[in-house]
Amino acid sequence: GQNIDQPTEMTATEGAIVQINCTYQTSGFNGLFWYQQHAGEAPTFLSYNVLDGLEEKGRFSSFLSRSKGYSYLLLKELQMKDSASYLCAVMDSNYQLIWGAGTKLIIKP
Amino acid sequence: GAVVSQHPSRVICKSGTSVKIECRSLDFQATTMFWYRQFPKQSLMLMATSNEGSKATYEQGVEKDKFLINHASLTLSTLTVTSAHPEDSSFYICSARDMSSGGYNEQFFGPGTRLTVL
Repeated sequence: GQNIDQPTEMTATEGAIVQINCTYQTSGFNGLFWYQQHAGEAPTFLSYNVLDGLEEKGRFSSFLSRSKGYSYLLLKELQMKDSASYLCAVMDSNYQLIWGAGTKLIIKP
Repeated sequence: GAVVSQHPSRVICKSGTSVKIECRSLDFQATTMFWYRQFPKQSLMLMATSNEGSKATYEQGVEKDKFLINHASLTLSTLTVTSAHPEDSSFYICSARDMSSGGYNEQFFGPGTRLTVL
C-alpha cells in the first residue's frame, strides 16, 4: 500500500532551526509537496521537489532523496507565526496526491 | 498564484437537510478538481476527483449518492451533501489543478467550508 510517515508533533524555540522529516512509499512518484496549514484554514503551498537535492526558498528549504524515499522541510529563524501543521504529500503515478497526517509544529518564545 | 474560492465558508444546518458547497477557480481553467474532508487533528482525506464534463471518481468508502459532485464547467465544481447527519460535520476543502499551465501539477486550495450538522 501507499504510506507517508511524518512525526505527529514537534516543538522548537523562536529564532531556532527545525527539520521536519517525511518518508514515503508510493506507487510511482511525480513529485513531493510540502504544505503549511494553520488551524481552521486550508493548506498553503510551500515547496515542490521532483529531483534529488535541496530547494531553498527564503527561510524554508526542502530536500528530497528519491532512492531513500525521504524528504525534509527545514525552517530557519523560526517565528511565532510558523506555528502550524506541515503536511507532506507525494504525487503518485496517477497524479494523485497521497497525504501524510501532518506534523504539528509548536513554537515557544 | 492561482486563486480558488469556496462558498459558503461556514454553514450550519439541521439533520436531514442537503447542503451545497461551491468551488470556483477564479483565474484559470480547472480541468480537474478535488474534494477533501478533514476532521479535527487529522490530515486531508480525498473524497473524490472531479473532471470537467464527466462523472466524478469517488474514493473507497465515500458514498456517491450521499456526496453528489457536479463539475459542469471548467471553473466550477459543486459538492452536495444530501440528507446530512451530525457525523458529516467536518471541514470540506476543494482544490483545483490546471493541467494546461505546464507547471508541476500543483493543487491550488480553496479556503474550505466548515459544515456543522445539528
